Amino acid sequence: QVQLVQSGSELKKPGASVKVSCKASGYTFTSYAMNWVRQAPGQGLEWMGWINTNTGNPTYAQGFTGRFVFSLDTSVSTAYLQISSLKAEDTAVYYCARENGDYAVGDWFDPWGQGTLVTVSS
Amino acid sequence: SSELTQDPAVSVALGQTVRITCQGDSLRSYYASWYQQKPGQAPVLVIYGKNNRPSGIPDRFSGSSSGNTASLTITGAQAEDEADYYCNSRDSSGNHRVFGTGTKVTVL
Repeated sequence: QVQLVQSGSELKKPGASVKVSCKASGYTFTSYAMNWVRQAPGQGLEWMGWINTNTGNPTYAQGFTGRFVFSLDTSVSTAYLQISSLKAEDTAVYYCARENGDYAVGDWFDPWGQGTLVTVSS
Repeated sequence: SSELTQDPAVSVALGQTVRITCQGDSLRSYYASWYQQKPGQAPVLVIYGKNNRPSGIPDRFSGSSSGNTASLTITGAQAEDEADYYCNSRDSSGNHRVFGTGTKVTVL
């Protein structure tokens, strides 16, 4: 079955870096874009951007440029989110989600990874 | 700030109908998709496109759209439908995606 499995929770100190992985299975990895979504504690969903899994070209939402990097390893069907110079306000659950659809039908995210909690604390 | 606006919370009596709305200028051009999120769980797709349900989603969930407003309707709400619901669509530029502010649905 189609699924996305993310890496486990991380506890990091301010200023450190973290790399979250999202391993896809059950479909051709390079046929669907991968999106990243952030959810801070008690808050709503925030779209961070997406990466073209065919070309590796990333697109970042406003507010997620500079310290956030999307990357791929297509040999193992895995997408990565790296966050550098971590701040307390980066504490959140980070989700990957496969993008489906097209311009005519619309876009949607399915499936989603289970989420990775990143906690930034000294 | 979010370009898709939802009511923060709605309540519905068990077995009754509730409609959740999502407003934004981009919805005049793009379809919305809808996601259900229960506490401690990842979001789950419930409606996409004009009015499509993924496999496994009960037919009490339906979607519609008019002008700048997309709607998710739960007809005959069940206790297990109590959750947060988010819409998503493209933004006004068409290049990015944006989530709605979210609606907490309480089933009484």
